[in-house]
Amino acid sequence: NAGVTQTPKFQVLKTGQSMTLQCAQDMNHEYMSWYRQDPGMGLRLIHYSVGAGITDQGEVPNGYNVSRSTTEDFPLRLLSAAPSQTSVYFCASSYSSDRAGEKLFFGSGTQLSVL
Amino acid sequence: KQEVTQIPAALSVPEGENLVLNCSFTDSAIYNLQWFRQDPGKGLTSLLLIQSSQREQTSGRLNASLDKSSGRSTLYIAASQPGDSATYLCAVWGNFGNEKLTFGTGTRLTIIP
Repeated sequence: NAGVTQTPKFQVLKTGQSMTLQCAQDMNHEYMSWYRQDPGMGLRLIHYSVGAGITDQGEVPNGYNVSRSTTEDFPLRLLSAAPSQTSVYFCASSYSSDRAGEKLFFGSGTQLSVL
Repeated sequence: KQEVTQIPAALSVPEGENLVLNCSFTDSAIYNLQWFRQDPGKGLTSLLLIQSSQREQTSGRLNASLDKSSGRSTLYIAASQPGDSATYLCAVWGNFGNEKLTFGTGTRLTIIP
């Protein structure tokens, strides 16, 4: 019962470097999303997908790219890391592409520091 | 723009007490409201989901209520245990053009043995 798996758990980057945060789910969920969690600000939606081949922007999409080539995987790419992207990143999924009305399942998070 | 507020930010209670956590939201046009639990260094676990047409949901010692018209929800925890210590977050799914999950900043609960 893997659920939602995120890798890596920790990452340190230098300003300007790029990297990809991985997210995979084995529950055949249509809806997948990425959030960032910052102290005092709650979780904010970065990007989401309602199915393979379909992605859309959330509240704070700048500096991030996503793709959804398969139902299982939803990687988040940081194009040119900035200190403002230091945060904890969570991937979440739910069964229905009609995302309302469904419980969200979260991964354990990636703690990212950009120096 | 939907805003979700949770007060207090932190709460400590002795073991065995019943307690209530509060959540308020500014836009009553919601699909549903969810309560989550987050343990330190971990992801979020969904506890209860209340549809906009419902008034409450129960799971074990947890009971969540929803008053959409006043923009409020409460999470009631009965007979608290040290294992209940965690941060509790509420989140609302918006409606009609605001279809996203908006989170509160959470209440950090400590149960004192």
